[in-house]
Amino acid sequence: GAVVSQHPSRVICKSGTSVKIECRSLDFQATTMFWYRQFPKKSLMLMATSNEGSKATYEQGVEKDKFLINHASLTLSTLTVTSAHPEDSSFYICSARSTGGRSTGELFFGEGSRLTVL
Amino acid sequence: AQRVTQPEKLLSVFKGAPVELKCNYSYSGSPELFWYVQYSRQRLQLLLRHISRESIKGFTADLNKGETSFHLKKPFAQEEDSAMYYCALSRGSRLTFGEGTQLTVNP
Repeated sequence: GAVVSQHPSRVICKSGTSVKIECRSLDFQATTMFWYRQFPKKSLMLMATSNEGSKATYEQGVEKDKFLINHASLTLSTLTVTSAHPEDSSFYICSARSTGGRSTGELFFGEGSRLTVL
Repeated sequence: AQRVTQPEKLLSVFKGAPVELKCNYSYSGSPELFWYVQYSRQRLQLLLRHISRESIKGFTADLNKGETSFHLKKPFAQEEDSAMYYCALSRGSRLTFGEGTQLTVNP
């Protein structure tokens, strides 16, 4: 199947700094990528839909100025957590929908990025 | 609003026993439902989708619109089935996940 890669897998930062997480589709193009947040022992919560070449669509309650999303190419979307605080510590997961081949339409997930804000 | 409920956070069975992971949903439209699985230290991956009506790794799931359920079943559980299972409902391109059920299959 298709591969989605996230980087970094783990990041620790100081409160007040910004952190960028990358999500790449390695062997397919993705016009749409999705960013999720997962709290411990909880479900995945959709944060935003990242659209290539246009603004991201944020879910209700998600601060767009806090979580900046850029989808500059068909294989890369980035999530920047600005002015991070300890409550932003979480597991962030991206996914992308395959647009061709046997797995057309299937959603593939990255391995996730664990953010710890001190 | 769409909502997915997995009532059991933890489920433990013995190898060879039948297993059923429950999933109920609420959605006003025509639902498209999925089961995703996450094995230890691996990423989330699609297990099966209701429109395919397929059996993957011995698992099946039938959509019951009357009961608004999409329970995942396997007649004979294997140790390698131990994982976190998420039921998900799709509205367009957006997925809503249940809270997940951690399945442990004991030898």
